[in-house]
Amino acid sequence: QVQLQQSGPKLVQPSQTLSLTCAISGDTVFSNSAAWNWIRLSPSRGLEWLGRTWYKSKWFNQYAESVKSRISINPDTSENQFSLQLNSVTPEDTAVYYCARWTEFPRQAFDVWGQGTMVTVSS
Amino acid sequence: IVVTQSPLSLPVTPGEPASISCRSSRSLLHSNGYNYLGWYLQKPGQSPQLLIYMTSNRASGVPDRFSGSGSGTDFTLKISRVEAEDVGIYYCMQALETPHTFGQGTKLEIK
Repeated sequence: QVQLQQSGPKLVQPSQTLSLTCAISGDTVFSNSAAWNWIRLSPSRGLEWLGRTWYKSKWFNQYAESVKSRISINPDTSENQFSLQLNSVTPEDTAVYYCARWTEFPRQAFDVWGQGTMVTVSS
Repeated sequence: IVVTQSPLSLPVTPGEPASISCRSSRSLLHSNGYNYLGWYLQKPGQSPQLLIYMTSNRASGVPDRFSGSGSGTDFTLKISRVEAEDVGIYYCMQALETPHTFGQGTKLEIK
């Protein structure tokens, strides 16, 4: 079955860059019927979709307006994984970060999730 | 699209039914006739998991005591007979457009 395995540091200093990776097994980052997403959960903002990358003959990205100026989600085709980079972090970015697969119609849902990474922004 | 759930806390006696309401600020009815609303459950210590997609379709492995219904802006998740393993936070999410937005979550606990 499809699994997503997250990795990355759990502590990031303010103004630095948060970087996480999500390794895909049982599917391919080139899937024509899926998109690869990052979502975070915090007490103040609840579940918040951050952005996604997907492949349809070429690579596309889409980001939430709240983080658009600071975020980058990129595929790593050689390792069958994708990554999140969030720049200039503040304590407001402290959250549990999840990667998730989005499957298109007829499901239209986040049907596979990573295990989550609790990231704390603090000096 | 803003998604609002109620109640936010739901204590339930095992074996009793439970119901969670979800409202969206805009209709989730697509031109193809489907309502783009899903339900997720986050059990304690786990990642969210898909329960229901497209309003009423149970995800693989989800017991049939879970059912979803609704149309337009009003949706409901029902559990026919709550079991101890159903504790956690339930979220509805609109799947019609990005940014996909979630409700605040409903915490189901056993009385």
